[in-house]
Amino acid sequence: ILNVEQSPQSLHVQEGDSTNFTCSFPSSNFYALHWYRWETAKSPEALFVMTLNGDEKKKGRISATLNTKEGYSYLYIKGSQPEDSATYLCAEGVRTSGSRLTFGEGTQLTVNP
Amino acid sequence: DTGVSQNPRHKITKRGQNVTFRCDPISEHNRLYWYRQTLGQGPEFLTYFQNEAQLEKSRLLSDRFSAERPKGSFSTLEIQRTEQGDSAMYLCASSRGAGIQYFGAGTRLSVL
Repeated sequence: ILNVEQSPQSLHVQEGDSTNFTCSFPSSNFYALHWYRWETAKSPEALFVMTLNGDEKKKGRISATLNTKEGYSYLYIKGSQPEDSATYLCAEGVRTSGSRLTFGEGTQLTVNP
Repeated sequence: DTGVSQNPRHKITKRGQNVTFRCDPISEHNRLYWYRQTLGQGPEFLTYFQNEAQLEKSRLLSDRFSAERPKGSFSTLEIQRTEQGDSAMYLCASSRGAGIQYFGAGTRLSVL
C-alpha cells in the first residue's frame, strides 16, 4: 500500500444499523493513525489517535481498532443515528515526515431516519 | 479554548488576483499547519510551523504560495496570481507538539 485508502467511499444506512469503515495505510515508518469526523460547514473533529498495534479506542457508540503490522484500522459505529451523518477521515502520521498527516479520501456516511 | 479560527470563511476572486487567508490557532499550541482539500479528496498537507519557524513545505506549495507566522501566533497564507486550479478549501490546524491536530472550519476559495 502506497497511500492512505478508505473504503467504502460512501455509505447509506438506516437509523439503528451498526456500520464499519476501513482505513488502509503504508505500514513502514508508521507513527500514528488519526480518525476525524467532518460535518458539512464545520471543523473536522478529532475522534481518535492510535499509535500501538492492537490499540482499541472507544468514544460513546464509536470505536476504532488498529493493526500496524498489516496496515489497517477499522472504525465502528453502533446503532447509527442521523446525527452521525458526516465524512469520516483517517490520516497517517509517519516518523520521517515531521508532523504532516496524510489523509485518505474519506467515507461519507448518511444515516436515514 | 476558543478553537482554531480561520478568516474569511469564503473568498471569491478573479483569476490573477492575490488572496490572503488568516488562521488563529489555539493559544497555547506551538505548531500550526496548513492543508488544502479539493472536491472528493482528503486534505493534503501544505506546510507547518513550529512557533515562528516554517519547518516543512510540501512540493504542492508552488512559488505563488507563501505562508508566514511572524510572532509564532497567527499565520497567514497568501496565494499570488491565483489560478482556477487553486479553488479549494484551505484548512488550518494547530497542535501542542506532535499531539492531536485541531482544525478550523476552513476558508473556501473560488477562483473565477
